[in-house]
Amino acid sequence: GAGVSQSPSNKVTEKGKDVELRCDPISGHTALYWYRQSLGQGLEFLIYFQGNSAPDKSGLPSDRFSAERTGGSVSTLTIQRTQQEDSAVYLCASNYLGQGAGEAFFGQGTRLTVV
Amino acid sequence: AQSVTQLGSHVSVSEGALVLLRCNYSSSVPPYLFWYVQYPNQGLQLLLKYTTGATLVKGINGFEAEFKKSETSFHLTKPSAHMSDAAEYFCAVMGQGAQKLVFGQGTRLTINP
Repeated sequence: GAGVSQSPSNKVTEKGKDVELRCDPISGHTALYWYRQSLGQGLEFLIYFQGNSAPDKSGLPSDRFSAERTGGSVSTLTIQRTQQEDSAVYLCASNYLGQGAGEAFFGQGTRLTVV
Repeated sequence: AQSVTQLGSHVSVSEGALVLLRCNYSSSVPPYLFWYVQYPNQGLQLLLKYTTGATLVKGINGFEAEFKKSETSFHLTKPSAHMSDAAEYFCAVMGQGAQKLVFGQGTRLTINP
């Protein structure tokens, strides 16, 4: 597709369950980011993938959160044993870090609700 | 490491008035700077960016921002606010080289008729 695609768009899960959120970046984009946006909050950085380099995981809030990017394309963010405070919109973005900074394009997000 | 501070989580202006949204950054190297906008129930889209060259950058919808290295600032302005400008605005910084994109906390802009 032409843009960043995230699925599902909405997810309701029970506390303690695991969830997987998917991001399909724009083809050819080397960098992929995950952010979390809670109600009334800004964009909290979670993790960053750039090419074949080791990901920057410095923003992951706990070891319940993990992410992978297969084949330099699709990424999955996994939250284990979900808690109510994990409820938020999870945003994925991608860009091409060639010469100069390319624009980061965002998906529409996955709204996660933990009940 | 880079960081961004947006002064004022909420800004309210009258229609037709000047819009000024403040952003200060910290970066150990000359950064790339961005402003993104998020309209209600929509995704983020780029308003404008500064990479190199001219320090006054013009973006979409009449917005512009000026990179001031001496003040480590990248404030966003628009001469005359329109009702359709009501949205959340995010300033972001990226260090040169392959570094992560870091956002400020956002400023919610309200336009009063």
